[in-house]
Amino acid sequence: NAGVTQTPKFRILKIGQSMTLQCTQDMNHNYMYWYRQDPGMGLKLIYYSVGAGITDKGEVPNGYNVSRSTTEDFPLRLELAAPSQTSVYFCASSYNPGRSNEKLFFGSGTQLSVL
Amino acid sequence: AQSVTQLDSQVPVFEEAPVELRCNYSSSVSVYLFWYVQYPNQGLQLLLKYLSGSTLVESINGFEAEFNKSQTSFHLRKPSVHISDTAEYFCAVSTGFQKLVFGTGTRLLVSP
Repeated sequence: NAGVTQTPKFRILKIGQSMTLQCTQDMNHNYMYWYRQDPGMGLKLIYYSVGAGITDKGEVPNGYNVSRSTTEDFPLRLELAAPSQTSVYFCASSYNPGRSNEKLFFGSGTQLSVL
Repeated sequence: AQSVTQLDSQVPVFEEAPVELRCNYSSSVSVYLFWYVQYPNQGLQLLLKYLSGSTLVESINGFEAEFNKSQTSFHLRKPSVHISDTAEYFCAVSTGFQKLVFGTGTRLLVSP
């Protein structure tokens, strides 16, 4: 199993450009998440999904959009990139984050710089 | 809402010395507690978790954490660290449904 795969690993954007961060998992997990990691700030939840066709906002959703057309894929869209979106982005998934199985599997991250 | 505080942003330590990484949480309901580790240029990996039962939980690589409800803490300890333990460690809390709240992280720097 590849686990959680994110592409690209690195990207530089100009202000106002748009891009999609790709995330796919091959573990048949229902739940998927997008986090951003800023120095000294820990991880903040951007969006999450509990299954195909269902998404919801996390703590910091402004400036982002997501879709979940399949169980495997959960792309994150930046429509008008801003310097404040410079960060490391992590996608994660879990099968059923209930009481006994709340382990998240993380991708290796996408380092995005907006200049 | 729950929150997590990691008191130390960076902990330098010599190899084979003991270490403690501190984590305190706040929540009005019962919580589940986690430690994740992030090695350089990698995503986070689950190190250990407390869900219920014994308050002392251990990982396969010698780390342990103890859930202390009265002090609302979940400190991570290791009696003897290795160079390979150099990483960033995140404490996280959940009330049981999909949303993990992470602390700001503690960078453990192990030197020879």
